[in-house]
Amino acid sequence: NAGVMQNPRHLVRRRGQEARLRCSPMKGHSHVYWYRQLPEEGLKFMVYLQKENIIDESGMPKERFSAEFPKEGPSILRIQQVVRGDSAAYFCASSPLGDSGNTIYFGEGSWLTVV
Amino acid sequence: GDSVTQMEGPVTLSEEAFLTINCTYTATGYPSLFWYVQYPGEGLQLLLKATKADDKGSNKGFEATYRKETTSFHLEKGSVQVSDSAVYFCALMFSGGYNKLIFGAGTRLAVHP
Repeated sequence: NAGVMQNPRHLVRRRGQEARLRCSPMKGHSHVYWYRQLPEEGLKFMVYLQKENIIDESGMPKERFSAEFPKEGPSILRIQQVVRGDSAAYFCASSPLGDSGNTIYFGEGSWLTVV
Repeated sequence: GDSVTQMEGPVTLSEEAFLTINCTYTATGYPSLFWYVQYPGEGLQLLLKATKADDKGSNKGFEATYRKETTSFHLEKGSVQVSDSAVYFCALMFSGGYNKLIFGAGTRLAVHP
């Protein structure tokens, strides 16, 4: 079974450009979570999505960041007009159900560098 | 709100030394608790978990006991190896009823031969 797949693994963007990070959950999983890890810090929750629905976006910055999980295809985390402070590792995770107690499986992360 | 506090690192040990990484939490109710490990340049791997008070999670020689009275979930290993060098994250499951993990800041462990 393939795990949670994220791409690209590494992305370099100039300030002002857009970054798109993709996440394909494990087979059979319909719940996706995005986390951000700033350098030398822990992971911070960003957003929780089900197919075509945003359930909890309490950790998303108010501007420039958006996320979607369409009926078909991967989940996308989009960062518009990137700034140096957006440089971080972005981790996607998935679970089969949303109920607490289900194991969450993490992808290997996408490292964004803004130059 | 829910939160997790870990001891600051780095923790530097010699091979075969005893390891303790402290973790305490604040939460509504009794959340599930987790330890994740992150090796350099990689994602997070679940190391162990405990879902209720007095449960002991264990894996690869690591163990942690869910202590309700002290709201703690300290990670221990009796004899560390160089290959255990990594960052360790304590986490709790959000008490709002769905799969939202709240992480501590992480503790870097460096084991020397």
